[in-house]
Amino acid sequence: EVQLVESGGDLVQPGGSLRLSCAASGFTFSRYWMSWVRQAPGKGLEWVATIKPDGSEKYSVDSVKGRFTISRDNAKNSLYLQMNSLRVEDTAVYYCVREDCSSTSCYYFYYYMDVWGRGTTVTVSS
Amino acid sequence: EIVMTQSPATLSVSPGERATLSCRASQSISSNLAWYQQKPGQAPRLLIYGASTRATGIPARFSGSGSGTEFTLTISSPQSEDFAVYYCQQYHNWPPYTFGQGTKLEIK
Repeated sequence: EVQLVESGGDLVQPGGSLRLSCAASGFTFSRYWMSWVRQAPGKGLEWVATIKPDGSEKYSVDSVKGRFTISRDNAKNSLYLQMNSLRVEDTAVYYCVREDCSSTSCYYFYYYMDVWGRGTTVTVSS
Repeated sequence: EIVMTQSPATLSVSPGERATLSCRASQSISSNLAWYQQKPGQAPRLLIYGASTRATGIPARFSGSGSGTEFTLTISSPQSEDFAVYYCQQYHNWPPYTFGQGTKLEIK
């Protein structure tokens, strides 16, 4: 069974740091682009960051640039999100997401989000 | 950045009554659009990708259509388990990936 399990969410003070982890199983992790998507309480979905299968390319939303870092360890089938200088507005459920593509769309990097973890909750508050 | 706009914000239908949800992109995204379903307290689930291809295990009552800037998700005969929030997302021009604000499908 394809599965993504997040961990590491916690209550942290503004300015603090947190490291989220995502354990992948049931598929060849090293072949897939992976992302983090977040959802603030009562709000919609917001893409946070994406990483290439070999880790050589990383992308993130402007609001977290310079503060959050996405990384992966393919030997451990794990995805990470290092979160520094946390702000109240970073409070959200953070989802680990696998990306996939259909045959012809892969060439153009058209990836949709086909598998989602259950999420881990990050609360930034004093 | 491509802005995705969904309408209506809330759609009230009776079980078995056809439901039509709309999504508009601020510029052409070809067919690079996905739809997700989210129930309270759960993670989103992929329903449709490529604007019209159902994901594995998704019932045939869900269908997607459109290309360019206008897209539609249709639920032909909603069942009780289909009442949820639905999001569209473009993956044509990224970063960033962008989502619509969601449409809540509720029981009338």
